[in-house]
Amino acid sequence: NAGVTQTPKFRVLKTGQSMTLLCAQDMNHEYMYWYRQDPGMGLRLIHYSVGEGTTAKGEVPDGYNVSRLKKQNFLLGLESAAPSQTSVYFCASSRGTGYSNQPQHFGDGTRLSIL
Amino acid sequence: AQSVTQLGSHVSVSEGALVLLRCNYSSSVPPYLFWYVQYPNQGLQLLLKYTSAATLVKGINGFEAEFKKSETSFHLTKPSAHMSDAAEYFCAVTRRNNNDMRFGAGTRLTVKP
Repeated sequence: NAGVTQTPKFRVLKTGQSMTLLCAQDMNHEYMYWYRQDPGMGLRLIHYSVGEGTTAKGEVPDGYNVSRLKKQNFLLGLESAAPSQTSVYFCASSRGTGYSNQPQHFGDGTRLSIL
Repeated sequence: AQSVTQLGSHVSVSEGALVLLRCNYSSSVPPYLFWYVQYPNQGLQLLLKYTSAATLVKGINGFEAEFKKSETSFHLTKPSAHMSDAAEYFCAVTRRNNNDMRFGAGTRLTVKP
């Protein structure tokens, strides 16, 4: 009964380093999302995917890339980390088109610090 | 584009008192509205959702919310607060046939003994 699983849970990077955050879901959901959560700003959408092999930009896409090679996985990449990307990152998934009344299911988050 | 505004970043109540968390939305088309709860070091969990079937929506843990179109509001209430209700609460909105969910900034609820 895993739902949405994010790895790693914590990471500290130096400015300029790169890394990939992995999200996996076992609910056969079509849609997947990456958000960042910052104090007083709620959740802001970085990128999302409406199906395997597709990705789209959200509100705050700059500095991030994503890939959805398999339906169950959604990867978020930081090519050259900056201190402004220090945040808590959440992955979520939901059913597809025509199901906008369905909630999104969230992972437990990845706490990322950029020094 | 749709958006939500949560009034009050922090709300403090005594155990047993009424909980009222405010949410106002903006949407050019009839919205779907959600309340999520986030406990420390966890992701968001769905409390309840409004999808036009009924204006008064009951959720988990004794919470409910009422959709008021005339006031563009979807306030969350609970008659009697419990210590375990201490968490951060997020209101969110989507438009029909659009999975672009927008979240409010969140309201942190503190429950005093």
